[in-house]
Amino acid sequence: ETGVTQTPRHLVMGMTNKKSLKCEQHLGHNAMYWYKQSAKKPLELMFVYNFKEQTENNSVPSRFSPECPNSSHLFLHLHTLQPEDSALYLCASSQVEGGDTQYFGPGTRLTVL
Amino acid sequence: GENVEQHPSTLSVQEGDSAVIKCTYSDSASNYFPWYKQELGKRPQLIIDIRSNVGEKKDQRIAVTLNKTAKHFSLHITETQPEDSAVYFCAAFGGYNKLIFGAGTRLAVHP
Repeated sequence: ETGVTQTPRHLVMGMTNKKSLKCEQHLGHNAMYWYKQSAKKPLELMFVYNFKEQTENNSVPSRFSPECPNSSHLFLHLHTLQPEDSALYLCASSQVEGGDTQYFGPGTRLTVL
Repeated sequence: GENVEQHPSTLSVQEGDSAVIKCTYSDSASNYFPWYKQELGKRPQLIIDIRSNVGEKKDQRIAVTLNKTAKHFSLHITETQPEDSAVYFCAAFGGYNKLIFGAGTRLAVHP
């Protein structure tokens, strides 16, 4: 598969569950991103990884824990989420970090009950 | 921090008309301005971008203009078609080393 893929596409979880979102990019990029997209709000940057190193944590609560084992894979581990965390979580990648075209995955639609 | 404001939030046009979406940014160090289109249930996709050393860029029916002095940039779509209906996001990248997005414009093109 080409481009940026995300699994699962939909996820429903309770507030006490632990789940993980997965992102994989097949573009040979070096930077990967997690964004949160809520209704009627701008895309919010959550985390940035460049060459597997985290370079940005945009004041994200600790119940969201990212992991980047290599430049092609990015995870978002979820634990004790709140209903207000329900949103579309988008992964993106770019050749380099910074002012470069970002390619988005299809997103994971998360619902927290 | 950097702030990007986008107007209008909704835009309705007749097929064949032009559509213009405007964004302003606050960080004078911003130097890269992409526009993304997000169709319902799909991922955002880059449609055009412009860098600060250029004032205008065109790609078929889509054009972007940049006014660095006024710190605003605009997306122009000519001869709109129903398939142009989507949410459009502007973004700016600058001194804060991250891409900041506008709130989006929902464009509806009516046949």
